[in-house]
Amino acid sequence: DTEVTQTPKHLVMGMTNKKSLKCEQHMGHRAMYWYKQKAKKPPELMFVYSYEKLSINESVPSRFSPECPNSSLLNLHLHALQPEDSALYLCASSQDTRGSQFFGPGTRLTVL
Amino acid sequence: RKEVEQDPGPFNVPEGATVAFNCTYSNSASQSFFWYRQDCRKEPKLLMSVYSSGNEDGRFTAQLNRASQYISLLIRDSKLSDSATYLCVANPYGQNFVFGPGTRLSVLP
Repeated sequence: DTEVTQTPKHLVMGMTNKKSLKCEQHMGHRAMYWYKQKAKKPPELMFVYSYEKLSINESVPSRFSPECPNSSLLNLHLHALQPEDSALYLCASSQDTRGSQFFGPGTRLTVL
Repeated sequence: RKEVEQDPGPFNVPEGATVAFNCTYSNSASQSFFWYRQDCRKEPKLLMSVYSSGNEDGRFTAQLNRASQYISLLIRDSKLSDSATYLCVANPYGQNFVFGPGTRLSVLP
């Protein structure tokens, strides 16, 4: 299994909702990432987990809360988002933080 | 100065042409480099890793010049299916990926 899966593919939520994005990989990778990508821009790193510990948080607002329940799973909990948070949210994984990253198909999020 | 810079293009080339993209990086601690391609509304897909002096994979060749701090990607015999955005990535040792803004390529029939 050489893929990263993400659910849901699309999500529409109001500013008062709480939702979660999920990511899974079964490649035995020990580093996992969340990125945010706006149209016509490159992915922006949000969080890095290495060996299930949060190692990088790129000054992301607290309305985004990551969680790594085990080495295969990564969640992103969303609460009280703003319309400007609408974007494609990409999960990626790699053998370690130095290696090639493999991306999931993303969750396209719209905040109304 | 941005950490990773690329010419955004677009590069419009005919089928069969050879096209080259350059990418410069500012962090001399960067140890590994990658090229990804991204199709519209899809995730980035790894095209090539560039670890030492460069490498080749079929029609694609990547070169690394550490002295000048740039990497390049050469695509020979362009196909329509090569149309995409090409993202250059630097990975300062032990740190996170830094993406360039991407170069858009359109291969025309």
